[in-house]
Amino acid sequence: NAGVTQTPKFRILKIGQSMTLQCTQDMNHNYMYWYRQDPGMGLKLIYYSVGAGITDKGEVPNGYNVSRSTTEDFPLRLELAAPSQTSVYFCASSPRQGGTEAFFGQGTRLTVV
Amino acid sequence: AQSVTQPDIHITVSEGASLELRCNYSYGATPYLFWYVQSPGQGLQLLLKYFSGDTLVQGIKGFEAEFKRSQSSFNLRKPSVHWSDAAEYFCAVGVGNNDMRFGAGTRLTVKP
Repeated sequence: NAGVTQTPKFRILKIGQSMTLQCTQDMNHNYMYWYRQDPGMGLKLIYYSVGAGITDKGEVPNGYNVSRSTTEDFPLRLELAAPSQTSVYFCASSPRQGGTEAFFGQGTRLTVV
Repeated sequence: AQSVTQPDIHITVSEGASLELRCNYSYGATPYLFWYVQSPGQGLQLLLKYFSGDTLVQGIKGFEAEFKRSQSSFNLRKPSVHWSDAAEYFCAVGVGNNDMRFGAGTRLTVKP
């Protein structure tokens, strides 16, 4: 019962470095999402995808990129890390469009110094 | 604009006491409503959801929530809190086709 798997769990980046946060799900869900969670702010949607080859911006997309080459994988790319991107990142998937239950990964805690 | 408000940042209750966590939303139509729980270092787990029909919904772990359209509220309740309920709770609203807006969360502390 893997569900949604995120790697790595923790990462420290220096300003200007790049990295990819990996997310994979084994539930054959079409819809996948990336959120960031900051203290006292709840979760903010960064990008989402409604199926392989289709992605779109969410509420806070600046500084991030995504791709969706397969149903299972939805990586999030940070090209030039900035301290403002220090956050906890959650990947989620759902079987249908918004308004249905989302299944979350365990998160990636990213610190940019 | 759509928004979700959880007025209480932090709540402390004694074990065995009742619990109510508040959630208010601002949305033009009848939304899809959710409560999620997040234990430390974990992702979010769905407690319950409301799409339509009976306005009192039952969830896992003994939680329930009531949708009140007139008050734009979806408060979470539990009659008797257990120490294992200590966690952060998020109210969320499904908006449009592909988005879910979350409240800022309420952290629950349970006193022995």
